[in-house]
Amino acid sequence: GAVVSQHPSRVICKSGTSVKIECRSLDFQATTMFWYRQFPKQSLMLMATSNEGSKATYEQGVEKDKFLINHASLTLSTLTVTSAHPEDSSFYICSARIPGLAGLYNEQFFGPGTRLTVL
Amino acid sequence: DAKTTQPNSMESNEEEPVHLPCNHSTISGTDYIHWYRQLPSQGPEYVIHGLTSNVNNRMASLAIAEDRKSSTLILHRATLRDAAVYYCILRAGIIQGAQKLVFGQGTRLTINP
Repeated sequence: GAVVSQHPSRVICKSGTSVKIECRSLDFQATTMFWYRQFPKQSLMLMATSNEGSKATYEQGVEKDKFLINHASLTLSTLTVTSAHPEDSSFYICSARIPGLAGLYNEQFFGPGTRLTVL
Repeated sequence: DAKTTQPNSMESNEEEPVHLPCNHSTISGTDYIHWYRQLPSQGPEYVIHGLTSNVNNRMASLAIAEDRKSSTLILHRATLRDAAVYYCILRAGIIQGAQKLVFGQGTRLTINP
């Protein structure tokens, strides 16, 4: 299947700093990317949908000013956690969808995740 | 999003078949049934998907009930590497903007050697 990468795989930062996580589709162009967050022993929670060249759509309860998403190219989306606090420590996972014709099925692939620890 | 219901956990033995059930009684006509699995500390991995007919691939088989209100993921011969959390997810197939994958709690599958 298609490959989605994330960088970094693991990051530790101090409280109050900002952290940027990159998500890349390596062998396809993704017009739509998704960002998820997963706390220990819980399921994935969708944070936002990122469309190339437009503003991200955030799920209810997700602060758009805290979790900045930029999808500047068809192969790269970034998530910036601003002024991170210990409660933001989590496993952040992105996914990318292979674009297809409207109304037809198109597959979605996930990155390996980024573990963020805020001290 | 239509909801799915899965058992919290299941256990099986190595080299035996595993049947993972999923109920989705509110499924709509255009919803695709997806299965993903997640190994510890990794992103989800696509397993299989279907719409109405049963599907087979190298990883698994998907049996879909005739009324589409339930489905079963079948691992024909489980290995220790199949131990993971398995998620059954419905995704709208027609409306592009609604095609997001919303994860439920999934089934944690344990494989005994």
